[in-house]
Amino acid sequence: QKEVEQDPGPLSVPEGAIVSLNCTYSNSAFQYFMWYRQYSRKGPELLMYTYSSGNKEDGRFTAQVDKSSKYISLFIRDSQPSDSATYLCATPNSGGSNYKLTFGKGTLLTVNP
Amino acid sequence: DGGITQSPKYLFRKEGQNVTLSCEQNLNHDAMYWYRQDPGQGLRLIYYSQIVNDFQKGDIAEGYSVSREKKESFPLTVTSAQKNPTAFYLCASRGRVYEKLFFGSGTQLSVL
Repeated sequence: QKEVEQDPGPLSVPEGAIVSLNCTYSNSAFQYFMWYRQYSRKGPELLMYTYSSGNKEDGRFTAQVDKSSKYISLFIRDSQPSDSATYLCATPNSGGSNYKLTFGKGTLLTVNP
Repeated sequence: DGGITQSPKYLFRKEGQNVTLSCEQNLNHDAMYWYRQDPGQGLRLIYYSQIVNDFQKGDIAEGYSVSREKKESFPLTVTSAQKNPTAFYLCASRGRVYEKLFFGSGTQLSVL
């Protein structure tokens, strides 16, 4: 079983829709969860960062972690064409001197005007 | 401006040739990483380095080599042993305190 699983989509929605992007993870020891946004042929940029369970909101974006089911979600409200990108979930799978991020496969989102 | 610079943006490799991808950062970060991205595969870790003169293999290190002689630089060599090198290569760095990775703009490597 892969450490982080993500539905690659693609996902196409009309402008203004609510978007839900999801990942599952296998290691219950994971505590930090991140969402990166990657525009075509660019480097990923950190969008949201959460620790442990619960919700974190930043403008139109909400990151949600459910540790009991090992499920992480990113919700985008009032989606815009500029939100069209690949969204990658990520979690650090080791700490200290061996720190590294494991990424999901990414979900390609297209928001149509 | 502080950031990570990858060069070249596009690179072509001939059969049997070694090529080197450059990654430079001026963020004063200790840790640096190389990821490979294939369509539908997400990011896969090739090599990473936490300090100068030390580096570790990631999940797909075969056919690649790195060096870390300076804190600012972490070049990746794609050797002729890598039989399927066509991919988008991303370099990243991380500061000592935060878990966040900062990424460069990537290098697209293709085989002629």
